[in-house]
Amino acid sequence: DAGVTQSPTHLIKTRGQQVTLRCSPKSGHDTVSWYQQALGQGPQFIFQYYEEEERQRGNFPDRFSGHQFPNYSSELNVNALLLGDSALYLCASSFLTSANYGYTFGSGTRLTVV
Amino acid sequence: AQSVTQLDSHVSVSEGTPVLLRCNYSSSYSPSLFWYVQHPNKGLQLLLKYTSAATLVKGINGFEAEFKKSETSFHLTKPSAHMSDAAEYFCVVRMDSNYQLIWGAGTKLIIKP
Repeated sequence: DAGVTQSPTHLIKTRGQQVTLRCSPKSGHDTVSWYQQALGQGPQFIFQYYEEEERQRGNFPDRFSGHQFPNYSSELNVNALLLGDSALYLCASSFLTSANYGYTFGSGTRLTVV
Repeated sequence: AQSVTQLDSHVSVSEGTPVLLRCNYSSSYSPSLFWYVQHPNKGLQLLLKYTSAATLVKGINGFEAEFKKSETSFHLTKPSAHMSDAAEYFCVVRMDSNYQLIWGAGTKLIIKP
């Protein structure tokens, strides 16, 4: 049973560019949450998708947007990249938004903005 | 507002000795609390969780944590450290209003041979 799959694993982009990160949730999970983890810090909640809609959003600018597809997979898009966007981006899947049965995390995408 | 404070950024212990990673939380309600571990270049793995059942929670790999409401603490312990325990550990509280996870800054556990 595959867990959460994220792609790509590493990415280097230039300031001002746009990037798309992808996440496939664990089998049986219908909710995807995205987190940003800067070096030496804990993850920060970006947003959560359920039933193809953004349900919750953390304190991130509109440059950060997302999408969820009918098969529950999700994308995170970041426009107009800044150097400060360099981080590990983590995807977590769960069953329902309450996640009473727990979250499963992917290994993340390491984004470097130069 | 709910928040989490991990009291030590780094903890260093010798292999075979006990481990104590400290976490204090702030929550208006009875919280749901978690400990996650992150090994280098690996995803986050759930060690254990407290969801208002038994106050002493047993997790994987010999770790356990005790919920102490009077002290607003949820410290993580292990009787005997193993080299494979070297990793970053995060204490997490789940918000009751929207189920968002609030993360501590992490504690890096270093195991000396």
